[in-house]
Amino acid sequence: DSGVTQTPKHLITATGQRVTLRCSPRSGDLSVYWYQQSLDQGLQFLIHYYNGEERAKGNILERFSAQQFPDLHSELNLSSLELGDSALYFCASSLRQGQDGYTFGSGTRLTVV
Amino acid sequence: DQQVKQNSPSLSVQEGRISILNCDYTNSMFDYFLWYKKYPAEGPTFLISISSIKDKNEDGRFTVFLNKSAKHLSLHIVPSQPGDSAVYFCAAGDTGNQFYFGTGTSLTVIP
Repeated sequence: DSGVTQTPKHLITATGQRVTLRCSPRSGDLSVYWYQQSLDQGLQFLIHYYNGEERAKGNILERFSAQQFPDLHSELNLSSLELGDSALYFCASSLRQGQDGYTFGSGTRLTVV
Repeated sequence: DQQVKQNSPSLSVQEGRISILNCDYTNSMFDYFLWYKKYPAEGPTFLISISSIKDKNEDGRFTVFLNKSAKHLSLHIVPSQPGDSAVYFCAAGDTGNQFYFGTGTSLTVIP
């Protein structure tokens, strides 16, 4: 157990729907990062939050949004889902911004049908 | 545009031999580099890192080499063990910001 908790582990939904992925960071970590891993792709950076504030955006679609709450857990919202959004979504946390590497959760596998 | 590239999708090595995984990056501002290991159905786990002020960092059987002029890093595993079979991701970034990951190399260590 890495200490980073992601729920749900698996999600199957239809095109056009909206889903919310949840991440609880490791205790004491202030930064949360979201990554997407599609088939044969590396980990694509989506967004970074530090202590409740958005710090960086990567290749995140406008249909996707995220937030980090006062208790430091984070949610990634995916809307108007398309077949191509099927992927593994990983959350990672770290104490400081980008230092000492990240601790990853086990991911949420999203399947859009 | 892929800022971090792992050009070998897969690698097979005999148990006890050396495994060498390679990674190239394009951004000269990157000053911190990491390797992660990923087993199926699990998230990536941190393996070893190196900052740009060093050219080598060793941790047990794992050594990372950094060649800044070539924008290249490599991970050496000696001796390789069957339990090392996994996907290895390299990542690069500038301290204080997010890391960019490669597409991964699947290592198979043959007993």
